[in-house]
Amino acid sequence: AQKVTQAQTEISVVEKEDVTLDCVYETRDTTYYLFWYKQPPSGELVFLIRRNSFDEQNEISGRYSWNFQKSTSSFNFTITASQVVDSAVYFCALSGGVGGFGNEKLTFGTGTRLTIIP
Amino acid sequence: NAGVTQTPKFQVLKTGQSMTLQCAQDMNHEYMSWYRQDPGMGLRLIHYSVGAGITDQGEVPNGYNVSRSTTEDFPLRLLSAAPSQTSVYFCASRRQVNTEAFFGQGTRLTVV
Repeated sequence: AQKVTQAQTEISVVEKEDVTLDCVYETRDTTYYLFWYKQPPSGELVFLIRRNSFDEQNEISGRYSWNFQKSTSSFNFTITASQVVDSAVYFCALSGGVGGFGNEKLTFGTGTRLTIIP
Repeated sequence: NAGVTQTPKFQVLKTGQSMTLQCAQDMNHEYMSWYRQDPGMGLRLIHYSVGAGITDQGEVPNGYNVSRSTTEDFPLRLLSAAPSQTSVYFCASRRQVNTEAFFGQGTRLTVV
């Protein structure tokens, strides 16, 4: 069974501070994919990143960066110089296997509510 | 290109009523899913489909029914609404397995 744990339920930081959102996953698949989604107060779900299990390089996109470590089964998300617009709920998700019936399942963590204080 | 369209956006039902949440996508994606989002529980998979005519149950399927007669549409039916089904429902589609999911705007359902 797959599982995603986001232990931080809520985080508040002052604007311009850096913040890291933790994600720990469990899977028996050797090939799997990890995702981060953002849910702003308006409610839609916005895709941020997809990473496969064979690519452990860290990724940076503007103020966002992701640290994938297979040794600790973690896929953490850092926002540098946070802004008020970053206030949202962030979800980590896991999808596993190499295809075939049943691998459609995208397992989500419970989310981390991030509040950026102006 | 509209992406994934869900209707309605809001709905109030009385216990025991039935209704259908509509979901349509125009990206020719084979994979479609329904999730419910409840406070503190993230998104949980209700049902999913890997193509027209093929559906399967997810994590929380009880009380819901689906069918997939076309690639574009994947409606979710509540057979006899219960207060426990009060939730926000999201429909999603994916181009293929393990690619990113595109979500609809969500339907906020209240059962009284």
